[in-house]
Amino acid sequence: RKEVEQDPGPFNVPEGATVAFNCTYSNSASQSFFWYRQDCRKEPKLLMSVYSSGNEDGRFTAQLNRASQYISLLIRDSKLSDSATYLCVVKQGAQKLVFGQGTRLTINP
Amino acid sequence: SAVISQKPSRDICQRGTSLTIQCQVDSQVTMMFWYRQQPGQSLTLIATANQGSEATYESGFVIDKFPISRPNLTFSTLTVSNMSPEDSSIYLCSVDAGNTGELFFGEGSRLTVL
Repeated sequence: RKEVEQDPGPFNVPEGATVAFNCTYSNSASQSFFWYRQDCRKEPKLLMSVYSSGNEDGRFTAQLNRASQYISLLIRDSKLSDSATYLCVVKQGAQKLVFGQGTRLTINP
Repeated sequence: SAVISQKPSRDICQRGTSLTIQCQVDSQVTMMFWYRQQPGQSLTLIATANQGSEATYESGFVIDKFPISRPNLTFSTLTVSNMSPEDSSIYLCSVDAGNTGELFFGEGSRLTVL
């Protein structure tokens, strides 16, 4: 079983739609969780951290379910510029980040 | 935040040769991380480089194949030795500049081995 699993997609949705990504992780001792965004042929960049109580940043909402070892990302009112690959990331131990394989999203006009 | 410069940005190499990738950070950082991203895949950690000590390698990666230098707190190199086509990948340098868990990445070095 992979340490971090995501649906690879691709997801193709119309502009303005709401889209949700899910991610599961295998190490129950993991303490920190993140969503990164990677544009085509670019390096990954942090989108948002994921907190136990859930957190929101504009159109983006991240949630964590520790009991189920499950993380989600919701994008509302999607824009063309949201097209990218979204990487679920879990921190193991003090420093090591483990990346999921990413979910590719394309927003269509 | 941190600004990271990597070079070369891309290279095409012959089988059996070696390539050294350089990573320069605009601030002093304790740890630098080297990742590999194979085509269509996510990032896999190769090793963690600390200044003044040997790098710590992840399972499946060895020093003979991927020697790393870390001469100071702002610079590191990763060498891909005795390359084969399977080494074709993007190699990314990263740092955790604020100890927040957020990694800042260089733009990556795209390597193609013929």
